[in-house]
Amino acid sequence: QQQVKQSPQSLIVQKGGISIINCAYENTAFDYFPWYQQFPGKGPALLIAIRPDVSEKKEGRFTISFNKSAKQFSLHIMDSQPGDSATYFCAATVTGTASKLTFGTGTRLQVTL
Amino acid sequence: DTAVSQTPKYLVTQMGNDKSIKCEQNLGHDTMYWYKQDSKKFLKIMFSYNNKELIINETVPNRFSPKSPDKAHLNLHINSLELGDSAVYFCASSQVTSSYNSPLHFGNGTRLTVT
Repeated sequence: QQQVKQSPQSLIVQKGGISIINCAYENTAFDYFPWYQQFPGKGPALLIAIRPDVSEKKEGRFTISFNKSAKQFSLHIMDSQPGDSATYFCAATVTGTASKLTFGTGTRLQVTL
Repeated sequence: DTAVSQTPKYLVTQMGNDKSIKCEQNLGHDTMYWYKQDSKKFLKIMFSYNNKELIINETVPNRFSPKSPDKAHLNLHINSLELGDSAVYFCASSQVTSSYNSPLHFGNGTRLTVT
């Protein structure tokens, strides 16, 4: 059962544009929502994360918007750059002793010149 | 210095063989993980160890056996390899179990190809 649904599967954005990736979850007990960025041949790396007690988290050009009632969260990349071209994963977990991240299916972002 | 290192980076082997992947972290973290990334890039947790104790064991064939000799190392041994085991295996670590203040740090993966 896919507990975190991510869309779109792939995304092409022009340089300077806004990239938007959406995720939806089912488990209302989730209390930690990170986004990971993965470049080819590398492991995923934490990009930005949010807790459900805030509706937005911004770090530089990257913003997470969180809608608890809709059980949705999204990543916005402002002023997208070719160096942002990577696969992005949303994830969620219930923090605790045996917490485990449940990942979305990933979005391959390509930023063109 | 690499924070989470895995060896080998590539592993090509035949069906039926037994192979091991090694992982070491120098971050002083207490928790280590194995994740599997399939051909569609889907990431799924396999195991988690906290201070050498197994705390998460997902529905993984018992041909896969993790071993944690100390909290800085988590190895993965796979017996009787099958074609479907072909994937990229990622080791990861975190300060404690994954949380807002304890993000996962991933290694660069081991690409296993079973022929």
